[in-house]
Amino acid sequence: GNSVTQMEGPVTLSEEAFLTINCTYTATGYPSLFWYVQYPGEGLQLLLKATKADDKGSNKGFEATYRKETTSFHLEKGSVQVSDSAVYFCALTRDALIFGKGTTLSVSS
Amino acid sequence: KAGVTQTPRYLIKTRGQQVTLSCSPISGHRSVSWYQQTPGQGLQFLFEYFSETQRNKGNFPGRFSGRQFSNSRSEMNVSTLELGDSALYLCASSPDYNTDTQYFGPGTRLTVL
Repeated sequence: GNSVTQMEGPVTLSEEAFLTINCTYTATGYPSLFWYVQYPGEGLQLLLKATKADDKGSNKGFEATYRKETTSFHLEKGSVQVSDSAVYFCALTRDALIFGKGTTLSVSS
Repeated sequence: KAGVTQTPRYLIKTRGQQVTLSCSPISGHRSVSWYQQTPGQGLQFLFEYFSETQRNKGNFPGRFSGRQFSNSRSEMNVSTLELGDSALYLCASSPDYNTDTQYFGPGTRLTVL
């Protein structure tokens, strides 16, 4: 079936460190891939998306590339800030959004 | 443009009761989806409505139901509440049916005692 696997957290980093959150997927066909972010007490916000192989989604310094050969969509940011502390969800769409379990990121100053 | 709104934001009920949650999509959006978020199961799809018709349904018991009105507003209902129904219920809207990008509301936090 369709599924998303992302690295378990929490991920704890110092400000300005490099961030990678791994995400791999299993799906039939060619789904669109997403990263959503959830700040404490809030709903989900779309961070970035990619709709086909080799597409790169980017937003607010975050990037992820749709890798069909490795079925991956890893999230990266070159220099994290305290304000990036949140839970990050990788997802694919197949009739509905299918989410990974989420990765908690904590950034300290 | 206003975002997705959900009411109420917080709700406390007891086992056996029923509850109705409301969602107003972004203006012009005609598709509304509902998701349940729990610490154990994560984010799970409940159902999607478009043009007042349920188009897709997740793997939840019949106690969970929903509807959509002609103005695209949606409600979901949970009957005979169980402790395990305690969750954050998220509504998402998109411009059309089977559209990739969904925009989420802040959620309704339901606590069942």
